Amino acid sequence: AQSVAQPEDQVNVAEGNPLTVKCTYSVSGNPYLFWYVQYPNRGLQFLLKYITGDNLVKGSYGFEAEFNKSQTSFHLKKPSALVSDSALYFCASTNQAGTALIFGKGTTLSVSS
Amino acid sequence: EAGVAQSPRYKIIEKRQSVAFWCNPISGHATLYWYQQILGQGPKLLIQFQNNGVVDDSQLPKDRFSAERLKGVDSTLKIQPAKLEDSAVYLCASSLDNEQFFGPGTRLTVL
Repeated sequence: AQSVAQPEDQVNVAEGNPLTVKCTYSVSGNPYLFWYVQYPNRGLQFLLKYITGDNLVKGSYGFEAEFNKSQTSFHLKKPSALVSDSALYFCASTNQAGTALIFGKGTTLSVSS
Repeated sequence: EAGVAQSPRYKIIEKRQSVAFWCNPISGHATLYWYQQILGQGPKLLIQFQNNGVVDDSQLPKDRFSAERLKGVDSTLKIQPAKLEDSAVYLCASSLDNEQFFGPGTRLTVL
């Protein structure tokens, strides 16, 4: 079955420290991979995507993600966390048909000052 | 550029009642999606439209859920009758190519 896993329910980091939010996927073929962020009472906001090419993808608000095909992972990273980065983060993959998205369950990022 | 619009933002109903949600996608976006996001879970696709045709409705509980996109623009999602387990946020998204843009969602509470 196709799936996206986010193994951590919550990630806690101090402001200014680097952060990593983990994601692995199990989808046949070469899926497109995405990260979205969700703030309370707001819709999902696009952060970045990987389609092909360079394994390090840069996105909005200083976030980047590293694609690793052998480990089927697509971890979200940021060199220096901000308190305003505190939110719910979702990893997603296109399904095998390449149409809709399959989402992970989400990881709550909490950045303390 | 205007984003994806959804209404209402919140709805509280009793079980066995009916409810409808409305979505207006970004202008020019041919593909429209409805997702269900239950608390503590990621969004799950309910139905996908390409213009006014259904591409994927395999996860739509068709005995109680229905959706339409008659003119290939706006869409409505209906639940009839609602069950307690339908309490969730219903997200509408639209896309032009491979990037989906999401609306703010409708939070449904079924009592």
